[in-house]
Amino acid sequence: RKEVEQDPGPFNVPEGATVAFNCTYSNSASQSFFWYRQDCRKEPKLLMSVYSSGNEDGRFTAQLNRASQYISLLIRDSKLSDSATYLCVVGLHNDMRFGAGTRLTVKP
Amino acid sequence: GAGVSQSPRYKVAKRGQDVALRCDPISGHVSLFWYQQALGQGPEFLTYFQNEAQLDKSGLPSDRFFAERPEGSVSTLKIQRTQQEDSAVYLCASSLSTDRHGPFGPGTRLTVL
Repeated sequence: RKEVEQDPGPFNVPEGATVAFNCTYSNSASQSFFWYRQDCRKEPKLLMSVYSSGNEDGRFTAQLNRASQYISLLIRDSKLSDSATYLCVVGLHNDMRFGAGTRLTVKP
Repeated sequence: GAGVSQSPRYKVAKRGQDVALRCDPISGHVSLFWYQQALGQGPEFLTYFQNEAQLDKSGLPSDRFFAERPEGSVSTLKIQRTQQEDSAVYLCASSLSTDRHGPFGPGTRLTVL
């Protein structure tokens, strides 16, 4: 079993749709949680950190459920430019574990 | 800009050849991480430096992989006797802190024929 698991997708949604991704992790001692975005043939870029109380950044909302060991990312009012692969990252000190990513395509 | 840089950006090697991949972290960043990303997968941790000390090399897949950061700045990832399964993008990230990393470099895409 992988330490961080994500539905690979692809998720194909129309512009303006709301889409949600989930990620589960196996190490209950994990302390830091992030969502990264990766465009085709580019390096991953930090989208947002995920806090226990949940946090929002514009159209993006991240939630953490420690008891169930999952993280979610909600994207509202999807834009064409949101098309990318979204990577879930779980960390313990310097040990950062990436999921394989969920691919999102937003269509006109 | 003063981001993380990596060179070469692309490398084609014949099976059995040795390669060296370079990472220039952001100036002053204490932590440096190397990752391997195979096609369709997320980045897999290889090794971690804090200044010049290699504190974690648990992700290096075999003894053909070796990394160094002798002066606590530039790091080199060396792969000896490359195999086809080494074909991947090798990503480097650096950070001011020791418990998370900052931006990634653009990566080196290694293709072993």
